[in-house]
Amino acid sequence: DAKTTQPNSMESNEEEPVHLPCNHSTISGTDYIHWYRQLPSQGPEYVIHGLTSNVNNRMASLAIAEDRKSSTLILHRATLRDAAVYYCILDPQGAQKLVFGQGTRLTINP
Amino acid sequence: DGGITQSPKYLFRKEGQNVTLSCEQNLNHDAMYWYRQDPGQGLRLIYYSQIVNDFQKGDIAEGYSVSREKKESFPLTVTSAQKNPTAFYLCASSMRSPWTGNQPQHFGDGTRLSIL
Repeated sequence: DAKTTQPNSMESNEEEPVHLPCNHSTISGTDYIHWYRQLPSQGPEYVIHGLTSNVNNRMASLAIAEDRKSSTLILHRATLRDAAVYYCILDPQGAQKLVFGQGTRLTINP
Repeated sequence: DGGITQSPKYLFRKEGQNVTLSCEQNLNHDAMYWYRQDPGQGLRLIYYSQIVNDFQKGDIAEGYSVSREKKESFPLTVTSAQKNPTAFYLCASSMRSPWTGNQPQHFGDGTRLSIL
């Protein structure tokens, strides 16, 4: 399974933007990049996914490097409810399962 | 509202006992999954099913069993052969298939299993 590398933890302040990095140097051409987040004692929640182009939705933006070897999840204005573990996952086309790594634990300071 | 319901939220098992965790979805998804999460760790796949009456082993299937008799339901049995069953169990579903591509997974809120 293709691997991703994320920082173990990050900290930010409420109402400021947050940029969560993910390295995936072994990505292949048909691997999608998925982001999920998990709040304490809850199941993971889908955030966003993309293949080559940058993507925006109501929750976040996904910026994908031109060589696709890295990506960044952008929370435009963090709130306390954004405190969670964020998982960056490579999803090969046609794959039947997702492989979750350790993720980044995001702390938001009031 | 559409979603995935896992029950119970907390479950206790005695040594040597089998227990069954329930997972129901009303999203009309074909694919369903069971994951295990240990404290401070990521999720590991136990079993998955792409269609009714069919399922495949994931990475850590030993000591677990599943059935998929209905599209909406994918119960997981933790058998006495699973020697370290204490964990957080998560069920998910997806429209993912060879025809729909890489659709996201939707998760339930989990069942926390402990040994008495």
